[in-house]
Amino acid sequence: AQSVTQLGSHVSVSEGALVLLRCNYSSSVPPYLFWYVQYPNQGLQLLLKYTSAATLVKGINGFEAEFKKSETSFHLTKPSAHMSDAAEYFCAVRYPRGANSKLTFGKGITLSVRP
Amino acid sequence: DTGVSQDPRHKITKRGQNVTFRCDPISEHNRLYWYRQTLGQGPEFLTYFQNEAQLEKSRLLSDRFSAERPKGSFSTLEIQRTEQGDSAMYLCASSDSDVIHEQYFGPGTRLTVT
Repeated sequence: AQSVTQLGSHVSVSEGALVLLRCNYSSSVPPYLFWYVQYPNQGLQLLLKYTSAATLVKGINGFEAEFKKSETSFHLTKPSAHMSDAAEYFCAVRYPRGANSKLTFGKGITLSVRP
Repeated sequence: DTGVSQDPRHKITKRGQNVTFRCDPISEHNRLYWYRQTLGQGPEFLTYFQNEAQLEKSRLLSDRFSAERPKGSFSTLEIQRTEQGDSAMYLCASSDSDVIHEQYFGPGTRLTVT
């Protein structure tokens, strides 16, 4: 069965500092991988996705993530945090073949940005 | 493209009452999904439709829950005899392709059962 682990529930960084949010997946074959962001009382917005093409994926708002098969990881990074990045971030997986189309999400990480 | 819309955005109901939520997907999307998100957790899959066919239901979808998508466009999610444990954010998402399967989410309906 697919699963996603997001270590830690809360990350706090200073404005301008590197953002690193970790995601590890568990599945028999490499899945499709996604990062979503959720602002308070809003739905989820797709930041970026990995779909078996380039392993370094660039997304919106300066975020990027690198797929590492050997580490079963898909960590999200941003070189310089901005106050507007404060939100909850979810990593999700989907097995690319078969009838099962659902996304399986991690528990999420709350990112705080200090001035 | 107006995005996925959900109605209502907030619903407060008393335990035992029935509630119904509506989701309008992006117009050309043939797949529609319902997820439930409780406080401090990621969204959990409930069910999904391809056109009007309900193709999968999670074990989370008890007999009190029913979802429909009668004409392959909008969908409704009904909860009968609500319980306090049903309090959550109910998210709807849609997609138009199974190749990459990028899902677009609506703003959600927050249900509070008192």
